[in-house]
Amino acid sequence: DAKTTQPPSMDCAEGRAANLPCNHSTISGNEYVYWYRQIHSQGPQYIIHGLKNNETNEMASLIITEDRKSSTLILPHATLRDTAVYYCIVREYTDKLIFGTGTRLQVFP
Amino acid sequence: EAEVAQSPRYKITEKSQAVAFWCDPISGHATLYWYRQILGQGPELLVQFQDESVVDDSQLPKDRFSAERLKGVDSTLKIQPAELGDSAMYLCASSQGWETEYFGPGTRLLVL
Repeated sequence: DAKTTQPPSMDCAEGRAANLPCNHSTISGNEYVYWYRQIHSQGPQYIIHGLKNNETNEMASLIITEDRKSSTLILPHATLRDTAVYYCIVREYTDKLIFGTGTRLQVFP
Repeated sequence: EAEVAQSPRYKITEKSQAVAFWCDPISGHATLYWYRQILGQGPELLVQFQDESVVDDSQLPKDRFSAERLKGVDSTLKIQPAELGDSAMYLCASSQGWETEYFGPGTRLLVL
């Protein structure tokens, strides 16, 4: 079973920041937080991952709370092409990915 | 940018027939995964290879599904016989060891 809880759906206006929350209250010290997204009819795409510190790359930022029980994926300027299902996954480095049902993000004009 | 290749992209078959899917991972990636994704759900791991060896096939229905990676490069997933409940997207992914997994575009299977 997935170890994370995400809202089933969210909306965001184009050009605004999309903040996608994820709860992982049972996360252990060795487990990373990974984010993938899946655009309709495509394979999942890796976005970002982190352990304790906040992370940023060209796609997004990942904010992890100090107690590591929750995190937020931030898309700073959402575009229509960011419409997708976003999966938050908690895993140890050598564990397999276990996907939940994710958050369906709809970016509107 | 290197990508995971899969074929066919779409497959329609009748129940009790045999089907096969092919995957070519990113060059140099020793780890290869096959996932199944039922509509409305997240992907579920079926089998994981490290080079030519199976590492995890605990969720593979072995009575009808088989997977091989004979030379440790490309891989084939077979279903025989196909059942109506096998209709799904079959995704292949690869990684360098335990690094980030990169997914292919998937094969969408419809069993009639």
